[in-house]
Formats: sequence, C-alpha cells, structure tokens
Amino acid sequence: EAGVAQSPRYKIIEKRQSVAFWCNPISGHATLYWYQQILGQGPKLLIQFQNNGVVDDSQLPKDRFSAERLKGVDSTLKIQPAKLEDSAVYLCASSTRQGAGTEAFFGQGTRLTVV
Amino acid sequence: KQEVTQIPAALSVPEGENLVLNCSFTDSAIYNLQWFRQDPGKGLTSLLLIQSSQREQTSGRLNASLDKSSGRSTLYIAASQPGDSATYLCALAEYGNKLVFGAGTILRVKS
Repeated sequence: EAGVAQSPRYKIIEKRQSVAFWCNPISGHATLYWYQQILGQGPKLLIQFQNNGVVDDSQLPKDRFSAERLKGVDSTLKIQPAKLEDSAVYLCASSTRQGAGTEAFFGQGTRLTVV
Repeated sequence: KQEVTQIPAALSVPEGENLVLNCSFTDSAIYNLQWFRQDPGKGLTSLLLIQSSQREQTSGRLNASLDKSSGRSTLYIAASQPGDSATYLCALAEYGNKLVFGAGTILRVKS
C-alpha cells in the first residue's frame, strides 16, 4: 500500500513570496490533515478535511494560509505572503474516516525555510 | 484545552538499557493515543495505537500503556539499540480524530 505522498521535500523562499505544497493521501482515505511542525515542537493541526469539506480550520492563519482539497483526493496548502515565522515542516496525514479511534498515517513532510 | 506534556525532553542511554518515555495529558476525553517515531528530516512513523478502552499495546520491543484516569501513558523500550535513536512523540485523538501532540522526547542510544 502506497503511503502519503508530499512534494516538494524542501523549499527555500524569501519573505513575502508565495509557496504551495501538495499532498496525495493514501487511496480511499476520506480524512486529510495538514500539520505545521516548528523546530523543537510537536506538530500543530492547521486544517482537517473530510472528503472535500473542511472539518476544522480553527488554527489556520487565514490571512495568509489557504488550503483546498478538490474532488476529495489531493490537497494543496498555500502560503501567501510568507513570513519568517512560517519556517517549519509541513506534514500531511490521512486516515480512513473521521470516526473516533482511526489511525493517522503521515507523509515525509515539506521543510520550508523562509529567509 | 488539551495539554500534552512529554518527559524527559531528551534522554541519552547506553545500548542495551531498558527505558521509559512518559506522556501526560490534561483531558481524559480521548478516543485513542498514538506513539510516533520521527527521524531527523523525516515524517512520522506510527509505532503503537492504544484505543481509549485499552490499557496497553505491544509491538516487538515496544510496550505502551494508557491510564486515562491519571492522564498518563508510557512507552517502554526494551534492550535499546542505536537504531532506536530518534524523537518519540505521543499524540491524543480528540473528537473528530484531531490529534494533539506533545513536544516529543529526543532519544539517543549510544553504542
């Protein structure tokens, strides 16, 4: 079974530029998550999708971050404009459904450096 | 708001030692608890998942326990090896399967 795929693996941009990350979840997984992991901290949930609908985006900085999941499969996370404090690893995860107790599987992450 | 704390923040042990990593949480209304491993520059690998109705799970040299009443979980690693060196994260699944993570324990096993 193929895992969660993310691209690119690394990205370096200047502040105020824009950037986009892509995620392809495990086939058949209805729930998709984007997490932000700042160095030395645990991952923090940015947004959660159930199919192509948003379940939770309470911690997404909506003035600069946006995400979409067209057709309930792939997802894109965008930052525009980027700030220095956005430097982090962006992790995508998926699970079979939104129900309680299901296991989440993570991709390799995209390491973003904003200079 | 759920708070997850992992102790110790870092741990260095000689090869072959048995060790315990601790995770504590403030709200016992959880669906499950997962322990993850994260190697430098990599994503998260799920090690063990304990459902809220369970007390422990075992996989090879790893054993994880869950005590909801006290808000604690432990990850026990037997006969540690240099290949076990990584960051270990615990995460709680709340309503909607949202995961809340601790900051992790950085483990170094010296050969």
